[in-house]
Amino acid sequence: DTGVSQDPRHKITKRGQNVTFRCDPISEHNRLYWYRQTLGQGPEFLTYFQNEAQLEKSRLLSDRFSAERPKGSFSTLEIQRTEQGDSAMYLCASSLAAGLDSGANVLTFGAGSRLTVL
Amino acid sequence: AQSVTQPDIHITVSEGASLELRCNYSYGATPYLFWYVQSPGQGLQLLLKYFSGDTLVQGIKGFEAEFKRSQSSFNLRKPSVHWSDAAEYFCAVFPIQGAQKLVFGQGTRLTINP
Repeated sequence: DTGVSQDPRHKITKRGQNVTFRCDPISEHNRLYWYRQTLGQGPEFLTYFQNEAQLEKSRLLSDRFSAERPKGSFSTLEIQRTEQGDSAMYLCASSLAAGLDSGANVLTFGAGSRLTVL
Repeated sequence: AQSVTQPDIHITVSEGASLELRCNYSYGATPYLFWYVQSPGQGLQLLLKYFSGDTLVQGIKGFEAEFKRSQSSFNLRKPSVHWSDAAEYFCAVFPIQGAQKLVFGQGTRLTINP
């Protein structure tokens, strides 16, 4: 198992363009999370999936953002009509949720996808 | 309001000196507690976690943390830092009840003087 993979690692785009990030979680993990991190700040929660169901979305996730996890495996995060304020590191994490098992709450993070909007 | 606070934005210590990074949380029930480390341009690596039991937990890279319920704190310590410890350190909590997500503090940037 190679851990959580994110692609691309870096993306530079012009304002108004659409971008899509992909996350491949650890294979046996059923939960997948997206976070956003700006310079000098801690990661902020965006959304999470359990299997293919999107269970929670943050207020940070405007209508320009959409996330999917169609078959409960990999996930995509799409940003439409990008703005300069979208420039950030987008982090994906996965975990194994198993009832009250405390191991369910240990998130493993990918290396992140850095977005720069010009 | 529920929150995680890391009071120190930036700390500088000399190589070989001891280190303590502070973390306080405000939650109704004691959440699960974590420390992560992030090197420049990289993702987050788990250093250690506390769920229950012994309040002093050992982690990777020689780090340890102590949970103090009375102070709602979970401070990270290392007896002797190495230049390779320079990084950003994040305290995080996972609530036992309610929202099923990890909530992070703002982070403490650690600089090591040679």
